[in-house]
Amino acid sequence: QKEVEQDPGPLSVPEGAIVSLNCTYSNSAFQYFMWYRQYSRKGPELLMYTYSSGNKEDGRFTAQVDKSSKYISLFIRDSQPSDSATYLCAMTQYNNNDMRFGAGTRLTVKP
Amino acid sequence: DAGVTQSPTHLIKTRGQQVTLRCSPKSGHDTVSWYQQALGQGPQFIFQYYEEEERQRGNFPDRFSGHQFPNYSSELNVNALLLGDSALYLCASSSPSDRGYEQYFGPGTRLTVT
Repeated sequence: QKEVEQDPGPLSVPEGAIVSLNCTYSNSAFQYFMWYRQYSRKGPELLMYTYSSGNKEDGRFTAQVDKSSKYISLFIRDSQPSDSATYLCAMTQYNNNDMRFGAGTRLTVKP
Repeated sequence: DAGVTQSPTHLIKTRGQQVTLRCSPKSGHDTVSWYQQALGQGPQFIFQYYEEEERQRGNFPDRFSGHQFPNYSSELNVNALLLGDSALYLCASSSPSDRGYEQYFGPGTRLTVT
């Protein structure tokens, strides 16, 4: 079993839809959770950064962390074609720089 | 404000050769991490440099080594290249204020080993 599991998709939605992306993990010591967006042949771009459990909202993006279930989510409201990319979840422990990534979910938003 | 820059963009090497990749961190950042991203996979942590020293290392063999310079830029060296080293190599920088958890990535260097 991988330490971080992420459904690779692909996921295809119409423009304006609400998108839900998820990751599960096995290491209960993880405390810092990140979501990255990666366009084809580019480096990952940090979207959201959350510490411990709870919700965080930034514009059309909402990140949720449920440590009791070892489950994190990223919601994208009013999705746009420009949101088409691969979304990577990442997480790490306190005072540990070895960030663990999921394999990424490929999202396509169709006009 | 310049973000993280990496050079070269692409590189083709032969098995057994050595390669050096370069990274300049985002302005104000003093910590550099290197990652290997195989096709269809998430990035894997190679190591992190801070104050010109390797602070933490992931599960990579000694063939992978690095260096950080006084201006915070960094190099990744890979010796005795294997076909399996073909990947996108990403550099990420972070600032001391966030303990390194908010990392900003460069565009990567795509290495092909033939």
